[in-house]
Amino acid sequence: EAGVAQSPRYKIIEKRQSVAFWCNPISGHATLYWYQQILGQGPKLLIQFQNNGVVDDSQLPKDRFSAERLKGVDSTLKIQPAKLEDSAVYLCASSLAQTENGYTFGSGTRLTVV
Amino acid sequence: GDSVTQMEGPVTLSEEAFLTINCTYTATGYPSLFWYVQYPGEGLQLLLKATKADDKGSNKGFEATYRKETTSFHLEKGSVQVSDSAVYFCALSTQAGTALIFGKGTTLSVSS
Repeated sequence: EAGVAQSPRYKIIEKRQSVAFWCNPISGHATLYWYQQILGQGPKLLIQFQNNGVVDDSQLPKDRFSAERLKGVDSTLKIQPAKLEDSAVYLCASSLAQTENGYTFGSGTRLTVV
Repeated sequence: GDSVTQMEGPVTLSEEAFLTINCTYTATGYPSLFWYVQYPGEGLQLLLKATKADDKGSNKGFEATYRKETTSFHLEKGSVQVSDSAVYFCALSTQAGTALIFGKGTTLSVSS
């Protein structure tokens, strides 16, 4: 089966600019996650969707980050305006709901804010 | 809150050496436990998992046993290879369908 697709792979922007990341999960996976992985740390959940509804966005900095999942398939994550501390790898993952089999991750988007 | 603690890296080993990467957790209830691996330039891949106490997860020569009494899930391999060089993440999930909570990761470097 095709994996989780993310784009772009790399992005460099200046602080205060905006940026958007795209994720296409595995077909049929109802649950989609966005994680932020800062260098030297483990991934941290930003937001979780179940179909096109938000399940958990408690750790999403809502003053600058937003995410949507239209039609319960693809998802976009946006940062506006970006700060230096947003430099990280942004990982998208998907899973079948109610499964203990683990999660399939995309390769991530590496964001550098200068 | 729920959390995962991994041993600090990097871990540097010679080929065929024995590997242990320690992982302990704090969680309410009975979480599922996972080890993920991240090879250079690639995404996270599930290595193995265990869903209840005393379960042993295994894959590619790696093993980890869910120890509830010590709240641990240590990763072991009897003979590492250069190709095992990667970052290893321990993670937990408190219930099905919920997000993973990760440790900080441990970098393993194996030389020939």
